[in-house]
Amino acid sequence: GENVEQHPSTLSVQEGDSAVIKCTYSDSASNYFPWYKQELGKGPQLIIDIRSNVGEKKDQRIAVTLNKTAKHFSLHITETQPEDSAVYFCAASISDSWGKLQFGAGTQVVVTP
Amino acid sequence: DARVTQTPRDKVTEMGQEVTMRCQPILGHNTVFWYRQTMMQGLELLAYFRNRAPLDDSGMPKDRFSAEMPDATLATLKIQPSEPRDSAVYFCASGPGLNKETQYFGPGTRLLVL
Repeated sequence: GENVEQHPSTLSVQEGDSAVIKCTYSDSASNYFPWYKQELGKGPQLIIDIRSNVGEKKDQRIAVTLNKTAKHFSLHITETQPEDSAVYFCAASISDSWGKLQFGAGTQVVVTP
Repeated sequence: DARVTQTPRDKVTEMGQEVTMRCQPILGHNTVFWYRQTMMQGLELLAYFRNRAPLDDSGMPKDRFSAEMPDATLATLKIQPSEPRDSAVYFCASGPGLNKETQYFGPGTRLLVL
């Protein structure tokens, strides 16, 4: 089955700096890779996603890159702000299933002013 | 702004009691997922439905957990009898089905079983 590994588990950055979170997946048939942001006491919120026919996608200060050959994808947050502090989860679709996702373990991001 | 809603938001109960959690998916979404989140296990998929039919509930302890979708606007997750190890946050997510993997999460039900 699909296995998703996420690194680092914690990330501390200064406000204004960039943050990068990396995930690897095992199933070459996976074709959908969403990223979620979870703030304390709330449910995960979809912030960006990418499909396997695209190598990069950007939305304002966040971007995701996908390397299908190496089976890894990354989330990039530029010009970080204190409100970016949260837990971020990557996920990969599970092939031959209707919509199931395999989640990474999460990255706690702390942005210090 | 369409959102997944869940009730109750918090539940404290005693071991052995029945717990029912409810979820209202986003109108028009035809896939519904139930997850459990703990510090130790992260996000675990318990069960999911497509067009109200259960597709997979292999992540759920069958002897005490049950999930149903009595209609397109309501999904329920029931635990009977509850145990302290069931303490967790339970999330419901729904998806539009067209891009079948896209999921939108509700705010969760925080369950504490004493």
